[in-house]
Amino acid sequence: DAGITQSPRHKVTETGTPVTLRCHQTENHRYMYWYRQDPGHGLRLIHYSYGVKDTDKGEVSDGYSVSRSKTEDFLLTLESATSSQTSVYFCAISDRQASYEQYFGPGTRLTVT
Amino acid sequence: SQQGEEDPQALSIQEGENATMNCSYKTSINNLQWYRQNSGRGLVHLILIRSNEREKHSGRLRVTLDTSKKSSSLLITASRAADTASYFCATDAGSARQLTFGSGTQLTVLP
Repeated sequence: DAGITQSPRHKVTETGTPVTLRCHQTENHRYMYWYRQDPGHGLRLIHYSYGVKDTDKGEVSDGYSVSRSKTEDFLLTLESATSSQTSVYFCAISDRQASYEQYFGPGTRLTVT
Repeated sequence: SQQGEEDPQALSIQEGENATMNCSYKTSINNLQWYRQNSGRGLVHLILIRSNEREKHSGRLRVTLDTSKKSSSLLITASRAADTASYFCATDAGSARQLTFGSGTQLTVLP
C-alpha cells in the first residue's frame, strides 16, 4: 500500500452516534478520495478532495461530511450513523487528476447496529 | 449510477487457462482503468488504457478498448492461483476528477 493508512480498521457503533474515519498519506499527493464498498455495488465515491480545504461531493454524499486541513489527512465524518452506512470504507490518493491511477488504503470496516 | 459494468460477475477457471473479463460503460471517456482486489484488501491498479488506444499489454495482462461499442476487455493469460481476486474496471466520469467503478468480476483460479 502506497503510504496510505486508515484508522480505525474496524469499528462497531450504534445508530445515531457520530463517527469519524481518518485517512493519512505520506506521499504528498494532491487528490484524496473516500469510497464505500457494498456487495453488488462495487465502489461508490462519497467525497473527494483536490487540495487542502478543497472538497467536493461524490455519488453518495448524503449523510457524510469531509474535511482536509492538511495535505496528508482526509477525514470522513458520519454525523449520525445509520444502519445503511454499514459498509467497508476505502480511502484513495492520486497525484494527478482522476484520469490517472489511484492508490488505495487497506479499508475500514464499519458496522452500525 | 455506475458507469462500468463487468461481465461475467463470477468466473472460475483452472490454473494455466486464460481468463477474460469484459466491461461496458455508458458515456464517453478519457481513459479506462482496471484494478484488482484481493479478499479483505484495498484495490490495486493494474493497467490504464487511453481512449485513443485500442490495445495495451502489461506482463500477462492484455486490455482492449472499443470506444465505438463502449466496451473493454481484460485478458489474463496463463492464470495462476494467485490471480484469484475481484477485478474492477473504472472510468473517469467526464470531470477528470472522479473515477466510477463497476461492480466487479470475481475470478477464482483453481489449482
